[in-house]
Order: sequence, then C-alpha cells, then structure tokens
Amino acid sequence: AQKITQTQPGMFVQEKEAVTLDCTYDTSDPSYGLFWYKQPSSGEMIFLIYQGSYDQQNATEGRYSLNFQKARKSANLVISASQLGDSAMYFCAMREASPGYSGGGADGLTFGKGTHLIIQP
Amino acid sequence: DSGVTQTPKHLITATGQRVTLRCSPRSGDLSVYWYQQSLDQGLQFLIQYYNGEERAKGNILERFSAQQFPDLHSELNLSSLELGDSALYFCASSISGGTLETQYFGPGTRLLVL
Repeated sequence: AQKITQTQPGMFVQEKEAVTLDCTYDTSDPSYGLFWYKQPSSGEMIFLIYQGSYDQQNATEGRYSLNFQKARKSANLVISASQLGDSAMYFCAMREASPGYSGGGADGLTFGKGTHLIIQP
Repeated sequence: DSGVTQTPKHLITATGQRVTLRCSPRSGDLSVYWYQQSLDQGLQFLIQYYNGEERAKGNILERFSAQQFPDLHSELNLSSLELGDSALYFCASSISGGTLETQYFGPGTRLLVL
C-alpha cells in the first residue's frame, strides 16, 4: 500500500534560515503526484506545491521548492528565507494515478503524519 | 482563501446524534472530496464525488454517507455519532477529479461529540 513518511515530528529554525522538511514515499505505480500542504494553527489546509512523477525539473513556487529524488523516493520541501508566518504543520501527500496499483485501493490523497515547524525570531 | 466553503465551522453534539456537514466547491470544480483529521488517525480520505456521482471510497464508516447535489455542493452525513468521531472534517475540490490534480481544501468543520 502507498505510504508517506515524514521523519521530523518537529523542527525549530531561526528566522531567515532555509528549512528542509523531509518526505519519503512508497509506491509501485510509475505515475503519481506529490503534494505539500501547510496547516497553520487556525486549522485550514493550504496547498503549497506539486510535483508529478514524470516531471523532469524540481517544482518551485516562490520561496517553496521541492527537492525531488525519484530513485530515492524522496520529495523534500525546501523553504528559503523562512519567516515567522511559516510556523505551522506541514504535510506531505501522494496520490497514485492508478490507485489499485500498489494494492492500496483508496483514491484520495495519502498524507504523512506531518512536521511541526516553528520559526524563531 | 481557497474558494472552498464549509459550514458550519464548529459543531458540538452528543453521542448517538446525527449531523450534516456542508461543502461548496470552488467555482468551476466538479469533484469534491471529504477527509477526516483526528489526533490518532491523522488525515484520512473518506470519499470522492464527481459531478454528482460517487467516484471513490476511502476509510468511510458505514454510519457516514455523502452526496453531491446538481449544484455541485456536497453534504457529509454522520449518524449514530461516537466520541471517536470527534475530528476536523475537510472538504476539498478539484477541477475534474483527475488523480494528479491539485485538491484545494476548505477551512474545515470541527466536530466535537460529547
């Protein structure tokens, strides 16, 4: 079954430093999408960035970039020049193009357990 | 603001009761998804609708049901509520329900079962 692993339950980072949030995934489907979402303390889920398995280049969206290493099955989120407002939970998620491929069967996003990022002034 | 709206924002009810959560997708989106976020289970996919039809089911309990109406809004019905159903329920939407499309989430409905 498809699976997402985020190994950092919590991180403290100084303001203006770059941050890397780790995410590894497991799938046998050659076609899949990887997503990162941010959940501030207010609770909403905010889409940050997407990477498709066939994309040749790493995705970037403003201060967010995705370090995609397909052979290692990792999709780390990099936040450059962190800001106080970046403090939040960050979730990595995956969706397979053919949900039954890895035997999982479910057809929604599969989320990791999240990383709680705290930016310190 | 993602453009997805959910009502109510908060809901407090008692065990054994039934509640209905409502979601309106982003303008132009045809597909709606429901997710549950709880402390012990994390974020879990419940069910997906596309243009009024059920498309996929995840870890949705038999006590839960959903539907998508002709105007594309969706409702999630939770019945015979138990303490363990207390969670944050999200609705998300995407353009056509394609598996690699970005899903945009609403603000969630926080359900507390006492």
